[in-house]
Parts: sequence; structure tokens; C-alpha cells
Amino acid sequence: AQTVTQSQPEMSVQEAETVTLSCTYDTSESDYYLFWYKQPPSRQMILVIRQEAYKQQNATENRFSVNFQKAAKSFSLKISDSQLGDAAMYFCAYRSAFGNQFYFGTGTSLTVIP
Amino acid sequence: ETGVTQSPTHLIKTRGQQVTLRCSSQSGHNTVSWYQQALGQGPQFIFQYYREEENGRGNFPPRFSGLQFPNYSSELNVNALELDDSALYLCASSFHGGGASETQYFGPGTRLLVL
Repeated sequence: AQTVTQSQPEMSVQEAETVTLSCTYDTSESDYYLFWYKQPPSRQMILVIRQEAYKQQNATENRFSVNFQKAAKSFSLKISDSQLGDAAMYFCAYRSAFGNQFYFGTGTSLTVIP
Repeated sequence: ETGVTQSPTHLIKTRGQQVTLRCSSQSGHNTVSWYQQALGQGPQFIFQYYREEENGRGNFPPRFSGLQFPNYSSELNVNALELDDSALYLCASSFHGGGASETQYFGPGTRLLVL
């Protein structure tokens, strides 16, 4: 089974600064999708960004961007110009292109300091 | 906010009882997945339903079962509740067959406490 590892249980960032959350995964497949989800204290999971493994270009959504290193099986999330509303639990997730199961990491709790 | 809703928001049961959790998918979605999220952990895949049939299952015993209805709403049933079943149960809907990455959109969850 695929595994997703988030090695940073907690991170903090000053408002307006940049922070990077790490994620690594283990798979023998070549075609898959990667996601970052945000779970605020209200607990509803929200999609932040997604990346198709066949695309070399890193995905970007406004202040959120990823650094996808396929050979290293690394998928980090960069949040620029951090805002108070970015404070949440962030989960990295993997889905095979041939399956329907999402595999989640254990999450990184992000605190934004005013 | 996604268009996925779940009910109830909180539930307290005792060991050995049975529980039914409900989920209403986002409009246009035909697939629903259920996850168990223990405190401080990431969601764990329970199973997925597509066209009213189970379409994949994680490492959960048969006492976890589900249904998907023609309107794509869904139920998660758990029999013979155990203390370790206490968790947040998340439902996620997606569209299968769109050729995209089938991103899942999550509901707010049901917090189940088993005493």
C-alpha cells in the first residue's frame, strides 16, 4: 500500500511570511495524483491544490504553490504571504491513477503568528 | 464550503450499539467515499460507492457497511460499536468518469463518541 509521510507535526509562520510544508510518499506507480487539503478548526476539509504526476510543471493556486520532485517522491507546499486564515491542519494525500483510494498523511498543524 | 452535507454533526453511542451516519453528495457527483479520522491522525479510507455498489474498501471489518442511493446520497452503518470506533467520520463526494483527477470534496463530518 502507498504511504504518505508528513514529518512536521507542527509549523509556525509570521503573518505575511512564507512557509513550506513537507510531504513524501512511497509508491511504485508512475501515474498518480497528489493533493494538499486544509482542515481548519471548523473541521471541513478543503482542497488547496492538486498535482498530476505526469505534469512536470508545478501547480500554483494564488498564494499556494507546490514543489513536486517525482524522482525524490517529494511534494511540498509553499504558502506565500501567510494570512491568519491559513491557520489549519494541512494534509498531503495521494491517489493512484488506477485506483479510487486516497492515502493521507498524518497532517501538519500550521500556526500563523500576527 | 463544499456542497457535501453530513448528519448528524455529533453522536454518542454505547459499546455494542449500531449507528447510521448520512451524507448528501455535492450536486453532479456520482461517487461517495467514507473516511475515519481518529484524533490527531489523517483520514483512513473505509470504502467507496459508485453506482450504488461498493467500489473499493480499506482495511475495515465487515461491521462497517454502506449504502448509496439513486440520488447519490449515502449511509455508513457501523454495527457492534467498539470504543476504538470513536472518531470523526468524513464523507467525500467526487465525479467518476470525468477524466480529471477525481478530486474529492469533503463534508464537515460526524463526530462519533462510543462510551
